[in-house]
Amino acid sequence: GAGVSQSPRYKVAKRGQDVALRCDPISGHVSLFWYQQALGQGPEFLTYFQNEAQLDKSGLPSDRFFAERPEGSVSTLKIQRTQQEDSAVYLCASSLDLRISINYGYTFGSGTRLTVV
Amino acid sequence: DQQVKQNSPSLSVQEGRISILNCDYTNSMFDYFLWYKKYPAEGPTFLISISSIKDKNEDGRFTVFLNKSAKHLSLHIVPSQPGDSAVYFCAASAQRSSNTGKLIFGQGTTLQVKP
Repeated sequence: GAGVSQSPRYKVAKRGQDVALRCDPISGHVSLFWYQQALGQGPEFLTYFQNEAQLDKSGLPSDRFFAERPEGSVSTLKIQRTQQEDSAVYLCASSLDLRISINYGYTFGSGTRLTVV
Repeated sequence: DQQVKQNSPSLSVQEGRISILNCDYTNSMFDYFLWYKKYPAEGPTFLISISSIKDKNEDGRFTVFLNKSAKHLSLHIVPSQPGDSAVYFCAASAQRSSNTGKLIFGQGTTLQVKP
């Protein structure tokens, strides 16, 4: 597709349930990012992939959060034993190259809104 | 510790007038700054960016100004249009010192342009 695609758009999980969020980046994009956006806040960095290599996972809030990109394309963010504080919009972004072009920036998907009840 | 701050949660301007959105940062290692625009239920959309070696970048109705000594940047929209009504996020990156290019975002400013 032409843009970054995320699924599902909405997810309601019971507390303690495991969830998996999917990101399809723009074809050929090397860099892939996951961000978490709480209500009324800006996006916060979670993790970064360059192709299949996870180069930075410093933003993952706990070991319940796990991300993978096994073939350097589609990425999955998994949250185990979800808690209410995990409720947020999870955004995926991709970029052709690590270096931000002055005229390019990153392309974000529409996000997955996770609600933990 | 909020490294990027947008101190105005909201801004309302009249159509045709100038909108000025402000952003402050604390980390002197930031060398790249971006503005994103976000409509409800959509992801942020890249608007304009500026490198720390410049103090101004212009793209049509949008101009970003960077004051490195004050660690302050601003986005000017002129003339403002009702379609500009959205949440605007300032973001910063430390490209030279980071191998990830991750963006640090501010909290956002909701702009309303009244017809």
